[in-house]
Amino acid sequence: AQSVTQLDSHVSVSEGTPVLLRCNYSSSYSPSLFWYVQHPNKGLQLLLKYTSAATLVKGINGFEAEFKKSETSFHLTKPSAHMSDAAEYFCVVRNAGNNRKLIWGLGTSLAVNP
Amino acid sequence: GAGVSQSPSNKVTEKGKDVELRCDPISGHTALYWYRQRLGQGLEFLIYFQGNSAPDKSGLPSDRFSAERTGESVSTLTIQRTQQEDSAVYLCASSRRDGAYEQYFGPGTRLTVT
Repeated sequence: AQSVTQLDSHVSVSEGTPVLLRCNYSSSYSPSLFWYVQHPNKGLQLLLKYTSAATLVKGINGFEAEFKKSETSFHLTKPSAHMSDAAEYFCVVRNAGNNRKLIWGLGTSLAVNP
Repeated sequence: GAGVSQSPSNKVTEKGKDVELRCDPISGHTALYWYRQRLGQGLEFLIYFQGNSAPDKSGLPSDRFSAERTGESVSTLTIQRTQQEDSAVYLCASSRRDGAYEQYFGPGTRLTVT
C-alpha cells in the first residue's frame, strides 16, 4: 500500500529565508508525486508534479521539489520565502493499481514572519 | 475552459435533515473525487469515481453518506440525518484518466449543521 508522510505539521520562516517542507512516501511502484497549496479561504492549487521525468521539478511561484528514490523523499523548497507563501501545503502520491486513487498527506502549515 | 463547479457554496441545515451537494467536473474528466475538510485539518477522502468502474467508497464515514455519478458527468453527495460533526467544507475534484492524474478542485461547499 502506498502512503505519504509530511514530517512537519507547522513550519515558520522569516521572509527572505529558504523554505523546506519535507515529504516522504512509500510506494511499490514508480510513483507520481504532487504538491498542492491551499491559501486561507481559497481553493487548492497544484504547485508542481513529478511523473518519472526529470527528478528536479520546478513549479509555480518559485517552488521546486526533488524526487529522491533512494530516500523515498519529495521535499518542497524555495530559496527565498515571501509573505504571500503563507499557506497550507499538501504532498500527494498517486496510488499504483487500476483505480489511480491519490493519497494525501496531512499537510504542513507554513508561516512567514516579516 | 470552465473549472470544477460546486453548489451550493454554503449550506446551513438543522441536525437531522438531509442535504445534497452537487459537483460538476471539468468536461472530459473521467475521474471524480469527494473529500471532506474540517476546519484547520487536511483532506479526508470520501469516495472516488473512475469512468464506469465501481466507485471506491472506502472513505465514507458512515451509511448516512452516499454519492452518485451518472456516467462521466455530474455527481451528488448526499448526507442523511445530518449531525453536527458533519460540519465541514466538502470538496470535489476531477482529473483526466491519462497523464499525471493531477486533480482540479472546485471551490467547495461549506456545510454547517446547527
